Amino acid sequence: QKEVEQDPGPLSVPEGAIVSLNCTYSNSAFQYFMWYRQYSRKGPELLMYTYSSGNKEDGRFTAQVDKSSKYISLFIRDSQPSDSATYLCAMATSGTYKYIFGTGTRLKVLA
Amino acid sequence: DGGITQSPKYLFRKEGQNVTLSCEQNLNHDAMYWYRQDPGQGLRLIYYSQIVNDFQKGDIAEGYSVSREKKESFPLTVTSAQKNPTAFYLCASRVAGTGELFFGEGSRLTVL
Repeated sequence: QKEVEQDPGPLSVPEGAIVSLNCTYSNSAFQYFMWYRQYSRKGPELLMYTYSSGNKEDGRFTAQVDKSSKYISLFIRDSQPSDSATYLCAMATSGTYKYIFGTGTRLKVLA
Repeated sequence: DGGITQSPKYLFRKEGQNVTLSCEQNLNHDAMYWYRQDPGQGLRLIYYSQIVNDFQKGDIAEGYSVSREKKESFPLTVTSAQKNPTAFYLCASRVAGTGELFFGEGSRLTVL
C-alpha cells in the first residue's frame, strides 16, 4: 500500500463548478499537509498548508484535514479555466520533515 | 523578490557526461531538497540538507551528488552513473519551524 493515494484523473468540470480533490494516507504520524498546483513544465506552487487537523480557507480554496479518516481534501469554488493544472497533495511528519507526495490529479476546467 | 532560482531550465547532455544543476534561494531557509519528477509518479527525493555542510541521501540518491557549502546554494550533479537521468528536477526549501515547502521552477534534463 502506498503511503499516499491520489486519483490521477483527469477530472473535467464546467467553469463555475465546485471542484473536490482528495488524498488518502496511511501514516497516522503525518502532521503537515499541503496542496500544490502545478502547471505543465513548471514547478509546484504551494496553495494551501495545514498543520495537524481542521479546515483552512483562502479565497476560492478550502483545505480540509480529517486525521481520524486519514483523508485530506481541497475544494475549489467558482472554478476557472486558469485552474486547469495538476494538483499535488503532500504530507510530512514533524521532526523528519520527509515529504510524501501524491501522484497528482489533472484538472480541466472547461470554458 | 524572494524565491528559489533553478538553472538552467532546459539542459541536454550526452551519455557519459556529468551535469550540474544549480539551485539558489534568497529566502534564508536552512533546509533544502532535490526531487525528481517523472510522468505518472510522485516526486521522489534525491537528497536533502538541513544545514550548511550537511546533507542526507533520499530514496533515489544513486548516481547523484550534492554539496552545501553556502546556505543559499544546493547544487545537484547528475553523474554518468545515473542510469536513467532524463527527468524534471525540482529544488525546494523549507520554512524553519513549519512544514511549508516551496519549489523552484524546475530544470528539465534530457540525455541524448
